Amino acid sequence: DAGITQSPRHKVTETGTPVTLRCHQTENHRYMYWYRQDPGHGLRLIHYSYGVKDTDKGEVSDGYSVSRSKTEDFLLTLESATSSQTSVYFCAIRGTSRDGDEQFFGPGTRLTVL
Amino acid sequence: AQRVTQPEKLLSVFKGAPVELKCNYSYSGSPELFWYVQYSRQRLQLLLRHISRESIKGFTADLNKGETSFHLKKPFAQEEDSAMYYCALSGHSGNQFYFGTGTSLTVIP
Repeated sequence: DAGITQSPRHKVTETGTPVTLRCHQTENHRYMYWYRQDPGHGLRLIHYSYGVKDTDKGEVSDGYSVSRSKTEDFLLTLESATSSQTSVYFCAIRGTSRDGDEQFFGPGTRLTVL
Repeated sequence: AQRVTQPEKLLSVFKGAPVELKCNYSYSGSPELFWYVQYSRQRLQLLLRHISRESIKGFTADLNKGETSFHLKKPFAQEEDSAMYYCALSGHSGNQFYFGTGTSLTVIP
């Protein structure tokens, strides 16, 4: 599992409340990513990070912010959650295997916004 | 722009039948192509990548640059192949991966 964990694994919250999801890795990878997974849309990149304090937007970044104050943690924040942000959120890291770079994924966080 | 298209959202085949999951891509350069699989209640994991040219769990995929396709094939489907399959593309820098919308494969006993 490339040492990737996500917390919480499940969360139910109400519209308008702030939510922070955490991704933690233990192998000192430089690149980390947040995706959301929705039926009919597949995986869409929200934000990614290429180092401490270095982040960039992905395809669906509106309504989300991220922070990376240390290598091992990449936080995804929904400042004011909306029902359209109900989704499964996956964190990933870019790691290297025998054949080259690939993405390794966390177990996912299921977020429900009521 | 980078695009990965998986035209089939759902695909059902009988056990023992051949299966092909389609993937087409659009990229201005030489991308690296991948297939990821997500079994029920598990995290996504790499199934195979075009540069390794390996057969994993009986699956193969050939990169056809002329047709810009990377279809996933298996000659005899098994029940344990039932899962969600994502085709993905990585560009020159490797910084970002672009995923298709996924195909849910069901193998009928």
